[in-house]
Amino acid sequence: AQTVTQSQPEMSVQEAETVTLSCTYDTSESDYYLFWYKQPPSRQMILVIRQEAYKQQNATENRFSVNFQKAAKSFSLKISDSQLGDAAMYFCAYRGGLTSGTYKYIFGTGTRLKVLA
Amino acid sequence: DAGVIQSPRHEVTEMGQEVTLRCKPISGHDYLFWYRQTMMRGLELLIYFNNNVPIDDSGMPEDRFSAKMPNASFSTLKIQPSEPRDSAVYFCASSFGQGKGPQHFGDGTRLSIL
Repeated sequence: AQTVTQSQPEMSVQEAETVTLSCTYDTSESDYYLFWYKQPPSRQMILVIRQEAYKQQNATENRFSVNFQKAAKSFSLKISDSQLGDAAMYFCAYRGGLTSGTYKYIFGTGTRLKVLA
Repeated sequence: DAGVIQSPRHEVTEMGQEVTLRCKPISGHDYLFWYRQTMMRGLELLIYFNNNVPIDDSGMPEDRFSAKMPNASFSTLKIQPSEPRDSAVYFCASSFGQGKGPQHFGDGTRLSIL
């Protein structure tokens, strides 16, 4: 069974600095998707970025980028130029690909990010 | 475009009562997911549908929970009878393209069972 592990329950970063959130996963599949979701206090679940396993190039969305290491099964999120609005809970998620016929998402336990002014 | 719409946003009721949570997925999405979020257990998948058909309900905690999707634009999650341990935030999410597309979440329903 697939698992997703976020080993950092809480992280802090100074405004305008860079922070990296860690995520590791376990799977025997070769085709899958990985996501980072953000959940601010308003409790909305907002998609931040996604990565397809077959793509070697790391995904980037403005100040957000990932470091995808497929062999190591690692998927970290880097937030550059941190802003106060980035304060939230961040969830890493795995979704099996078409070969497995499984469309279930498996979420990590989350990392709470605090941004210090 | 409208996102996933859930109602009610908050629900407070006494134990033993029937609770019905509602969800309208994004138009055109063919997958619909129900999740429960608690501090202790995090985000748990309860059940998901593809083209209105339940595919995997292995996450439904017990027979008191049931979910239906009578058509492509509406789904319900029902708890009968409700218990205090059912208190949680319940999310509905939808996705398209055989699940290739990312999940889009509703704002969730905060359920409190007294």
